[in-house]
Amino acid sequence: DAGVIQSPRHEVTEMGQEVTLRCKPISGHDYLFWYRQTMMRGLELLIYFNNNVPIDDSGMPEDRFSAKMPNASFSTLKIQPSEPRDSAVYFCASSLVITFQTSSDGELFFGEGSRLTVL
Amino acid sequence: SQQGEEDPQALSIQEGENATMNCSYKTSINNLQWYRQNSGRGLVHLILIRSNEREKHSGRLRVTLDTSKKSSSLLITASRAADTASYFCAAWGGKSTFGDGTTLTVKP
Repeated sequence: DAGVIQSPRHEVTEMGQEVTLRCKPISGHDYLFWYRQTMMRGLELLIYFNNNVPIDDSGMPEDRFSAKMPNASFSTLKIQPSEPRDSAVYFCASSLVITFQTSSDGELFFGEGSRLTVL
Repeated sequence: SQQGEEDPQALSIQEGENATMNCSYKTSINNLQWYRQNSGRGLVHLILIRSNEREKHSGRLRVTLDTSKKSSSLLITASRAADTASYFCAAWGGKSTFGDGTTLTVKP
């Protein structure tokens, strides 16, 4: 398997523009996560899906952010309009089973990230 | 606030030495996981320890968990230059939360 695939790897845009980040999870994984990593705030969970359904979006910073998972093999994270403070590395991760409720929850498989710079 | 907090923030050692990183968390957990991140790359899972376990080994990695102190440690023995990376703990309980990481530099 090719692992979790994210695109684009790098994105430079101007304030006010729409940004769309894409993720293809590992085939067969039922859970998909979007994280944001910055020096100031570390690694933050934005939203996660189970079987294409958003389960917890409490980490989404504001209404400018939206995420969709139209099918089991594709997810998008959209920022509209983008602002300089959105500059960060955005990671997608997938997992077979994550409930946050059992001691057997396994590992997350991360993509290589999308580095976003908003000027 | 972060559920996982790593200590120290940065660690520099010579090749062959052991590296110990610590993690503290605030609430009850189901398990605790350690991840590694090379510069410019995504995180890679290293090891998971369940809440009812006290110690776990995987190759040159040794993880301990003390639920009474809400802390964990990661020991890397016989370190190599290739171990240079950032290491994160993730406390699993209700929601996964990653700490800020420990940046390890292993000098050849």
